[in-house]
Amino acid sequence: QKEVEQNSGPLSVPEGAIASLNCTYSDRGSQSFFWYRQYSGKSPELIMFIYSNGDKEDGRFTAQLNKASQYVSLLIRDSQPSDSATYLCAVISGGYNKLIFGAGTRLAVHP
Amino acid sequence: DVKVTQSSRYLVKRTGEKVFLECVQDMDHENMFWYRQDPGLGLRLIYFSYDVKMKEKGDIPEGYSVSREKKERFSLILESASTNQTSMYLCASRPGPNYGYTFGSGTRLTVV
Repeated sequence: QKEVEQNSGPLSVPEGAIASLNCTYSDRGSQSFFWYRQYSGKSPELIMFIYSNGDKEDGRFTAQLNKASQYVSLLIRDSQPSDSATYLCAVISGGYNKLIFGAGTRLAVHP
Repeated sequence: DVKVTQSSRYLVKRTGEKVFLECVQDMDHENMFWYRQDPGLGLRLIYFSYDVKMKEKGDIPEGYSVSREKKERFSLILESASTNQTSMYLCASRPGPNYGYTFGSGTRLTVV
């Protein structure tokens, strides 16, 4: 079982819709969770982090964490074509508290 | 904003060459990391460092070495470049163990 799992997609949503990206993780002791956005040919960019159960909102982005279910999600409201990218989920886990990355979900927002 | 600077955006090297990839961060971060990213394989950790002169192997250290003589600089060395080391190389840093990473812009290395 992979430590951090994401559906590879592509997830295709129409412009203006809500995009829902999901991630599960295997280490019950994980405490810190991150979402990165990566445009094609570019490096990953940190867009959200969450430490506590529940929701955390930042503009059009909402991160949701459920530690009991070992599940973290990212909602993007009012999706725009500029949101089209790969979204990487990352979890702090294991020795040295390294970030463990999922393989990423490709999001395509079509006009 | 933290800046992580990788010295080259694109590099082309010949098989057997010794290659140096440089990474500098300007925010006094303790931890630094080197990854490579290949289509379908995701991010793979090569080496990391939690302090000056300290280094630890990641998941795929073979064929690579690193150097961290100063806190702000973390260098990745390909001892004898091979074609299977053609990849996007990403450097990252963070202040400490409970933070996310800030990535540099990446170096796309082609070994011919």
